[in-house]
Amino acid sequence: QVQLVESGGGVVQTGRSLRLSCAASGFMISSYVIQWVRQAPGKGLEWVALTSYDGSNKYNADSVKGRFTISRDNSKNTVYLQMNSLRAEDTAFYYCSRSESVHRWFDPWGQGTLVTVSS
Amino acid sequence: QAVLTQPPSVSGAPGQRVTIPCTGSDSNIGAGYDVQWYQQLPGTAPKLLLYGDNNRPSGVPDRFSGSKSGTSASLAITGLQAEDEADYYCQSYDNSLGGSLFGGGTKLIVL
Repeated sequence: QVQLVESGGGVVQTGRSLRLSCAASGFMISSYVIQWVRQAPGKGLEWVALTSYDGSNKYNADSVKGRFTISRDNSKNTVYLQMNSLRAEDTAFYYCSRSESVHRWFDPWGQGTLVTVSS
Repeated sequence: QAVLTQPPSVSGAPGQRVTIPCTGSDSNIGAGYDVQWYQQLPGTAPKLLLYGDNNRPSGVPDRFSGSKSGTSASLAITGLQAEDEADYYCQSYDNSLGGSLFGGGTKLIVL
């Protein structure tokens, strides 16, 4: 069964760091592009970052550039999102999902992990 | 700044047909990139509803269909059912972002 499971969310103070994990099962992430998408409470979906198959190419949204870093460990079948200098506006559910190509659809998505940034 | 524009909400009675438009630009839909639609039920993760403009994953009823023309796309739902009440998001690749661009989402209300 193809599945993605996010973990690592929680409550963190403004300015601190947090690392999210996206563990895949039922397939090898080395054949897929993986992205992170977030959703603030009651708001829409916002693309955050993606990593190519081998991690050689990474792209971030402007809103997180210089603060968030996406990485992957294909040997552990896991993708990470290192979030530094967290702000209140980073409070959201964070979802990971896979695609065969950056230009195509992402499916499935994980159940999400909630990050709450509080002062 | 790249955006995909959707109406905040649409509504329809059971059995009716509704459409949800998604307007983009030359850096996304207009560049010919695939348009996807995702359905998000309350309290759950988004689920792929349509891919590649008008293709349904296994298990999605044929009441759902998509179309694309120029810089716009549209989701149509026929034979509206109460269980269709959800948020719907369009998505396409944007070459100025280097990643996914999502519409603001449309809440479908079944009257």
